[in-house]
Amino acid sequence: EVQLVESGGALVQPGGSLTLSCAASGFTFSGYEMHWVRQAPGKGLEWLSHIDTTGSTMYYADSVKGRFTISRDNAKNSLYLRMNSLRAGDTAIYYCVRLEQHLLTSWGQGTLVTVSS
Amino acid sequence: DIQMTQSPSTLSASVGDRITISCRASQSISTWLAWYQQKPGKAPKLLIYRASSLESGVPSRFSASGSGTEFTLTISSLQPDDFATYYCQQYITLWTFGQGTKVEIK
Repeated sequence: EVQLVESGGALVQPGGSLTLSCAASGFTFSGYEMHWVRQAPGKGLEWLSHIDTTGSTMYYADSVKGRFTISRDNAKNSLYLRMNSLRAGDTAIYYCVRLEQHLLTSWGQGTLVTVSS
Repeated sequence: DIQMTQSPSTLSASVGDRITISCRASQSISTWLAWYQQKPGKAPKLLIYRASSLESGVPSRFSASGSGTEFTLTISSLQPDDFATYYCQQYITLWTFGQGTKVEIK
């Protein structure tokens, strides 16, 4: 069974940094491209970032480009999202998502990031 | 960037109703469109891919159509389990979601 478990969500002050992690199991992690998607409280889904299987190609939404960095460690079956210069508008549940044939097929349960003073 | 616009934002309906949700892309995306269902407190679930293909395990009361810039998701006979929020998403160029349509009990 595919499992994606996010962690690292926390309350952080504006301007602060945070790194989210996603532990993958139940599939060959190194064979799948991965994404981060977020959802602000009571709002819709926002795609944030994509990384290819080797970690050599990454894409970002304009809203986080230059502030967020996606990475992965295939040896540890883990995906990461380093978030810098956090703003109140970054408050959201952050989902780790597996890509399969261009589709976001498997989602974690999400981890909550709250940016507030 | 490709923008996705859904309508309506909220839809009130009763069990047994036939409902349709629309999704418009800001430029042609061919049939590179997916639909997701999300229930409160849960992660989204893929329903439809390539604009009209039903994901395995999704009930046949769900159907979808469209190409280019105009797409629709139809539920032929709304069931209690279908009250949720639905999102369209393009995946021809990166990935973009619509703002969502909440289907609520009338």
